[in-house]
Amino acid sequence: SQQGEEDPQALSIQEGENATMNCSYKTSINNLQWYRQNSGRGLVHLILIRSNEREKHSGRLRVTLDTSKKSSSLLITASRAADTASYFCATAGGSNYKLTFGKGTLLTVNP
Amino acid sequence: NAGVTQTPKFQVLKTGQSMTLQCAQDMNHEYMSWYRQDPGMGLRLIHYSVGAGITDQGEVPNGYNVSRSTTEDFPLRLLSAAPSQTSVYFCASRPSSGNTIYFGEGSWLTVV
Repeated sequence: SQQGEEDPQALSIQEGENATMNCSYKTSINNLQWYRQNSGRGLVHLILIRSNEREKHSGRLRVTLDTSKKSSSLLITASRAADTASYFCATAGGSNYKLTFGKGTLLTVNP
Repeated sequence: NAGVTQTPKFQVLKTGQSMTLQCAQDMNHEYMSWYRQDPGMGLRLIHYSVGAGITDQGEVPNGYNVSRSTTEDFPLRLLSAAPSQTSVYFCASRPSSGNTIYFGEGSWLTVV
């Protein structure tokens, strides 16, 4: 069964706006990761946040983690058309080599 | 930099046929895994390996077989293809010392 569940399933915004995607999970984790998938391609790692971290930044990406609520959010600031993709959260529990993925959020950034 | 290489990219099978999806990585990663991606289902783990000679089942292993004779290669075998195995298959690898997973570009399989 899926561990992470992204929300919303789809998001459409204009270029320059911020995009926020949320992820909820069910069991305790060691870390939570976000991946991007362009249409017809493999997944690409974006950012990892450990269970003892609350916020992390990488370029235009900002990830937060609330372990008490078992939720995470991914914020993409000043979005670009090239950010159009599906975004997945993935959680790693005791066995880090077994990542469990959510169903993804399809982000469309309109020029 | 090759990374994780999957072949074939596209394949059409008839029900009952068998085939092998190939996966190779040139990063000397210990951990390798196979996922399938279906619309609305995200990625689901089929099988994984923590090193040569060691494999284990993931979430949806039925109908699939794997082996890991070398660090580099992790083939996925469909024993008797069924329409329910129509999907996009992704191979991935990770070093034992890191958390980032590296994915191949995917193999699109259609079973008719």
